[in-house]
Order: sequence, then structure tokens, then C-alpha cells
Amino acid sequence: GAGVSQSPSNKVTEKGKDVELRCDPISGHTALYWYRQSLGQGLEFLIYFQGNSAPDKSGLPSDRFSAERTGGSVSTLTIQRTQQEDSAVYLCASSPRRFPHYEQFFGPGTRLTVL
Amino acid sequence: AQSVTQLDSQVPVFEEAPVELRCNYSSSVSVYLFWYVQYPNQGLQLLLKYLSGSTLVKGINGFEAEFNKSQTSFHLRKPSVHISDTAEYFCAVALSGAQKLVFGQGTRLTINP
Repeated sequence: GAGVSQSPSNKVTEKGKDVELRCDPISGHTALYWYRQSLGQGLEFLIYFQGNSAPDKSGLPSDRFSAERTGGSVSTLTIQRTQQEDSAVYLCASSPRRFPHYEQFFGPGTRLTVL
Repeated sequence: AQSVTQLDSQVPVFEEAPVELRCNYSSSVSVYLFWYVQYPNQGLQLLLKYLSGSTLVKGINGFEAEFNKSQTSFHLRKPSVHISDTAEYFCAVALSGAQKLVFGQGTRLTINP
């Protein structure tokens, strides 16, 4: 079946612009995660959604970052007033139920470059 | 807070040689442990995980890892590597009851013919 998909695969933007990154989880998966992979910081957790519960936003690096998940499916990660340090690969993952007994399946990522 | 240390950023080995990728973690509470692989230009894929039970865990592609609580380690091993194993390998932990993964910095495994 279809895996986690993310769009766009690559995004180049100018400093100060807003960007939106999209994640389509595997159908039926109730949990959705965003991670960031950057040269300086490695792989780091950003935010977690589970069903209708309040999201765990503890990994968001600043108030310029926000995410929403509509209808319990598609998620959008928004970065406002982008900075060069936001350049990274943004990874989305989904899980059928509560982790860790159910695997997190990762998408291919969106490579964001801020000029 | 928990952390994960992968002691080697790069490991070059010859084809058909054995390999061990080292991972140590720090946590004062129970953790779950994972190894993920990232092939060039691809997403992360789960190799294996330790949740409980036997400390020796077998995963895909002939990899295995052993959980050592006293040494807080979860080293990944393969007795004979192939060119196709060239990838970056990430060790990760999740606290019991937590939903997020904490990753190590990754180890780039390069297989030489």
C-alpha cells in the first residue's frame, strides 16, 4: 500500500518568507509526527498528533513554527518568517496506534533551503 | 532528559566483513530502543527494536542488536556486510510512556569492495 507522502520534495525560499510543508500519513494511522534532520542538530522531534488529543508541541524550536492536522489525516507544518537556520530536511512519520508497540513509518522528507 | 550517543560518525568496512555500530544512551527510566537505516536519498526505515524480553533482537537484512542495561548500550551488529548495506544508521530511544523518538547523530556505514 501507499506509504507516507510529503510535498513538496524540495523547497527553496528566501529569508523572511513563510512556507508550508504537507504530510499525507498512511490511511488509518491515528498518530502523526514531525521531525527535522539538519547538519548541526541531527534528527530532532518537533510535534506529535494522536487522534483528537491536544498535540505535543514540545519540540517546536520557536513560535515561528506551527502545525495542524485536519480531519485526523493530512498535516501541514508552517514556518513563518523563515531563517537560514531553518534549512533542513523535514520528516513526517505516522503510526497506526500508540507507539512504540506500533512502528513509526517515515516519509521521504521535504528538503527546505532558506537563502 | 534522555540522550543517545553514537560513538562513530563514520565506519568503513570491507565487503563480507563483520561490523558493529555502537550506541549508548542515558536515561534514568525505562526506555525502548530502536535502530533505523536511511539509504541514500530515501526515508528512514526501521531495522529492529527492543521493547522488552530477550535482550538479543534480530531485525531485517541480517542485522541484530543486543540491549545491555548495565552498560546502557544497544550496539548493532552484522556478521557479514554487503555493498547494499551502505547507508546511514540511526540509534534512537523512546521513554516508556512517551511518544517521541530521540535520535543519535547517526553513523555512516561505507562498504568497500
